[in-house]
Amino acid sequence: EAQVTQNPRYLITVTGKKLTVTCSQNMNHEYMSWYRQDPGLGLRQIYYSMNVEVTDKGDVPEGYKVSRKEKRNFPLILESPSPNQTSLYFCASREGTGIYEQYFGPGTRLTVT
Amino acid sequence: QKEVEQNSGPLSVPEGAIASLNCTYSDRVSQSFFWYRQYSGKSPELIMSIYSNGDKEDGRFTAQLNKASQYVSLLIRDSQPSDSATYLCAGLDMEYGNKLVFGAGTILRVKS
Repeated sequence: EAQVTQNPRYLITVTGKKLTVTCSQNMNHEYMSWYRQDPGLGLRQIYYSMNVEVTDKGDVPEGYKVSRKEKRNFPLILESPSPNQTSLYFCASREGTGIYEQYFGPGTRLTVT
Repeated sequence: QKEVEQNSGPLSVPEGAIASLNCTYSDRVSQSFFWYRQYSGKSPELIMSIYSNGDKEDGRFTAQLNKASQYVSLLIRDSQPSDSATYLCAGLDMEYGNKLVFGAGTILRVKS
């Protein structure tokens, strides 16, 4: 089944404790991205990657890191999480240039206390 | 002006009626558009894409794109309570890596 997976689905952590949210897709998509969704603010892009080893900042990159060492994986790293990073996070992927239908993972609900 | 704008709603329609969801966009956004449905706490699900001016139909859904008016809409015929969700309109930001830019979403409530 074609899908985007994320882990963990739910995470409660404390300020400053490094964490990684994994994202994987099995569709051989070139383009992957991370979003956060907050009430009243909608979906905002954090980082995106157009291919392996090619990443760039989105609208709200502060406090986040990403890497793209393999085509299928695009982890999101919070080196020192803070309470304002409490949010619902989505990973998404699409084929690449010229094909823009984008598919989302199930989401990770992160709470930072 | 925001790149993609939607009325937040809620839009309430009776079961069986046509629900009409609307979206306007700025010059910065390309004329390729996508409609997503999102249930509370779930991920957005792609339901329609439209790339050219005019109408595109898929089952109970019709997407309409009017480039001259910079307006895109989604019609849902024979609305069902299961259609109650937030509908997100998205376009491509041509100036920024062709990323998708999303509207804030319109809440649809279908009453039985």
